[in-house]
Amino acid sequence: EAGVTQFPSHSVIEKGQTVTLRCDPISGHDNLYWYRRVMGKEIKFLLHFVKESKQDESGMPNNRFLAERTGGTYSTLKVQPAELEDSGVYFCASSQVRVAEAFFGQGTRLTVV
Amino acid sequence: GNSVTQMEGPVTLSEEAFLTINCTYTATGYPSLFWYVQYPGEGLQLLLKATKADDKGSNKGFEATYRKETTSFHLEKGSVQVSDSAVYFCALRTLEYGNKLVFGAGTILRVKS
Repeated sequence: EAGVTQFPSHSVIEKGQTVTLRCDPISGHDNLYWYRRVMGKEIKFLLHFVKESKQDESGMPNNRFLAERTGGTYSTLKVQPAELEDSGVYFCASSQVRVAEAFFGQGTRLTVV
Repeated sequence: GNSVTQMEGPVTLSEEAFLTINCTYTATGYPSLFWYVQYPGEGLQLLLKATKADDKGSNKGFEATYRKETTSFHLEKGSVQVSDSAVYFCALRTLEYGNKLVFGAGTILRVKS
């Protein structure tokens, strides 16, 4: 069974540009989460999808971040325009039900220069 | 609110040494507690968990006991190996907080041969 897959693994962009991160969850997992680790600090929750609906987006830092989950399958996280402080590692996780173990992807390392 | 504090690293040990990584938490409600590990180049993996007070989670020689009286969940291993070199994250989850994972800042462990 394939695990959670994230694309790209690394991205380096200039301040002001747009970047789109993608997450493919484990097949059949309705719950999809995005987390972020900035500057070696704690990993912080960004948002939670149940199928295609946003269940909780309380961790989204500002309106430069837009997450979508088309058809309840893969999800994208777009940052537009990117700022220096957006640099970090973005993790995606999925679970079959909300209280079950969440399986994480390898993360996307975003560097904004 | 919910928070996790874990000891700063990096922790550098010789092979076969005893490992302790301290983790304390603050939570509303009754948290489940977790240790995640990120090996170089890989994603986050669940290492062990405990869901109620006095439970002991264990896996791959690692152990942690849920101590409600001291709000702690310290990670221990009796004899570390070079292959244990990784970043270790303590985390918690509560129903009252929507079952989102709340992580500590991570502790880098380096094991020398």
